Amino acid sequence: RKEVEQDPGPFNVPEGATVAFNCTYSNSASQSFFWYRQDCRKEPKLLMSVYSSGNEDGRFTAQLNRASQYISLLIRDSKLSDSATYLCVVNTNAGKSTFGDGTTLTVKP
Amino acid sequence: SAVISQKPSRDICQRGTSLTIQCQVDSQVTMMFWYRQQPGQSLTLIATANQGSEATYESGFVIDKFPISRPNLTFSTLTVSNMSPEDSSIYLCSFSGQLNTEAFFGQGTRLTVV
Repeated sequence: RKEVEQDPGPFNVPEGATVAFNCTYSNSASQSFFWYRQDCRKEPKLLMSVYSSGNEDGRFTAQLNRASQYISLLIRDSKLSDSATYLCVVNTNAGKSTFGDGTTLTVKP
Repeated sequence: SAVISQKPSRDICQRGTSLTIQCQVDSQVTMMFWYRQQPGQSLTLIATANQGSEATYESGFVIDKFPISRPNLTFSTLTVSNMSPEDSSIYLCSFSGQLNTEAFFGQGTRLTVV
C-alpha cells in the first residue's frame, strides 16, 4: 500500500463546477499536510497547507481528518486556469515530504 | 520567501557519462532535498542533503549512483553517475525553512539519456 493515496482521476469538469479531491495517508505519525499544484512541465507549487480545523482560501477549501487519516481539497466555481495536477503531500517528523501520485483536473469551457 | 534556482534546466547526455545538477538558494535554509519525477509519475525523494555531512538516502537510492554535496546552507549539488536511459527523468531540488513547513522547489532539470 502506498504511503499517500489519491483519487486516480482524471477529473474533467465544466467551468463553474465544484470538484473534490480525496487523499489518504498511512503514517499516523505524520505531522503536516499540504496540497500542491503542478502545471505541465513545471515544478510543484504550494497551493495550501491543511489543518485539522479546515482552512479556506478563496474558492479552495482543505480539510484534514486525523482520526481517519484523510485529507480533502474542494474547488468551487472551477476556472479554466485551475486545470493542473493536484498533489497531496504529507510530511513526517523528519521533515520529509511524501507525495501522492497526483490527480489531474481539466476544466473545460 | 527564499528564491531557489536550479541548473541546468535540461540536458541530453550520453549513456555512461555523469551530470551534476546545482541548486542555489538565496538565503540559508535548514532542509534541502533532491527528488526525481519520472514521466507521468509523482515525485520520489532521493535523499536529504545534510550540510557538512553525508546525505541521507532513501530506499532504492545509493551514494555511488547519486552523490550529493552540501557545502553550506545555501547550495547543494546532485550528480547522476554512469547514466543509462532509465535515468531519464526530471530532477528537482527542494528546501524547507523549518521542520514540517512547506517545501519550495527549484525549476527542475529535465534529463534525457541517449
